[in-house]
Amino acid sequence: GAGVSQSPSNKVTEKGKDVELRCDPISGHTALYWYRQRLGQGLEFLIYFQGNSAPDKSGLPSDRFSAERTGESVSTLTIQRTQQEDSAVYLCASSLGTAPSYEQYFGPGTRLTVT
Amino acid sequence: AQSVTQLGSHVSVSEGALVLLRCNYSSSVPPYLFWYVQYPNQGLQLLLKYTSAATLVKGINGFEAEFKKSETSFHLTKPSAHMSDAAEYFCAVSGGTGGFKTIFGAGTRLFVKA
Repeated sequence: GAGVSQSPSNKVTEKGKDVELRCDPISGHTALYWYRQRLGQGLEFLIYFQGNSAPDKSGLPSDRFSAERTGESVSTLTIQRTQQEDSAVYLCASSLGTAPSYEQYFGPGTRLTVT
Repeated sequence: AQSVTQLGSHVSVSEGALVLLRCNYSSSVPPYLFWYVQYPNQGLQLLLKYTSAATLVKGINGFEAEFKKSETSFHLTKPSAHMSDAAEYFCAVSGGTGGFKTIFGAGTRLFVKA
């Protein structure tokens, strides 16, 4: 079946502009995660959605970052007034549920460059 | 707080040599442990995971890892490296004292020399 997809694959934007990143999880996966991966670094947790529960936003670095998810489908990550330090690869992952034993399935990422 | 430490940001081996990538975790309660691999310009994919069924876990592409509670380690090994193994490898932990969140290590980039 189809895996996790993300769009766009690459995004170049000017400092101060808003960007919207999209993630389509695997059908039937109730949990969805967003991570940020800066060059040469590990994954930084941003936000987590589980079904209709309130999302865990504890990883969002500032109020310029927000994310939405409609039910158990598509999610969008929005970064307002982008800064150069926002340049990174943004990875989305989905899993069957919240149990910690569940593996996550990752999309290919969106590479964001802020000039 | 739960954490994962990967020793060595870069590891270089010759083709056919043993691969050993080190991972240590901190958790007062045995967690679930994962190794993911990231090939260039791709997302992460699962290599293997430990869920307490067996301490020696076999994964894809000939990789395996052993959970050692006494050493709080989950090192990844492969007897004979192949050029196609060149990638970034991430150790991750969930459960334990960290709940549902998955904490990823900083990653180890594996280089394989011909």
